[in-house]
Amino acid sequence: ELVLTQSPGTLSLSPGERATLSCRASQSVPSTYLAWYQHKPGQAPRLLINGVSSRATGIPDRFSGSGSGRDFTLTISRLEPEDFAVYYCQQYGSSPPTFGQGTKVEIK
Amino acid sequence: IHLVQSGAEVKKPGSSVRVSCTVSGDTLSSNAIGWVRQAPGEGLEWMGGIIPLFDAKDYAQKYKGRVTLRADESTGTVYMDLSSLKSEDTAVYYCARVPDLVRDSGVYGWYFDQWGQGTLVTVSS
Repeated sequence: ELVLTQSPGTLSLSPGERATLSCRASQSVPSTYLAWYQHKPGQAPRLLINGVSSRATGIPDRFSGSGSGRDFTLTISRLEPEDFAVYYCQQYGSSPPTFGQGTKVEIK
Repeated sequence: IHLVQSGAEVKKPGSSVRVSCTVSGDTLSSNAIGWVRQAPGEGLEWMGGIIPLFDAKDYAQKYKGRVTLRADESTGTVYMDLSSLKSEDTAVYYCARVPDLVRDSGVYGWYFDQWGQGTLVTVSS
């Protein structure tokens, strides 16, 4: 199974700052089958990015995804108060699809 | 499209649970539905998925033999049955929709753009 490792575990930042979240795969992710989700307590996860860099419908352009092979990045250019949450990467190019363990973005 | 799940369940170890997921705003046959769970303090884990149009099912190896997915197109509902419950199965279970299912080299691309609200299943004696 393809293992995804996210870093850091927790990111403490202030509103307006830039957030850079990393996702490293144990082997190359097939094609561009990498997604990012935002997850808040008591809510369902929300798709942000699919295909490494395509923003899902309605996602603000402060969210961007990049990367290839084994290394991927989610960038939030300027944190808004509603962006403080847990973020998961997910690969869906090999079976089973797997998620990273998550990065918590908290208010500093 | 909107996904609505059944309510919370409390089950004994060794028993089974059924969680339903009703799709509205689109036909079930036009969609592929997956199931993801989150145990307390843990991350997200894919359990399996169903493609009602082809009656195709794809299960995580970890859950094969314990999880069964079924679709009822007349009601627009997908059911997830999990048997031989253990305390470690205590989790929030989500159904979710794949926006554009592709199959590449025999692998279905399970990622999700619409999610149900989640169903808490508690397994306790």
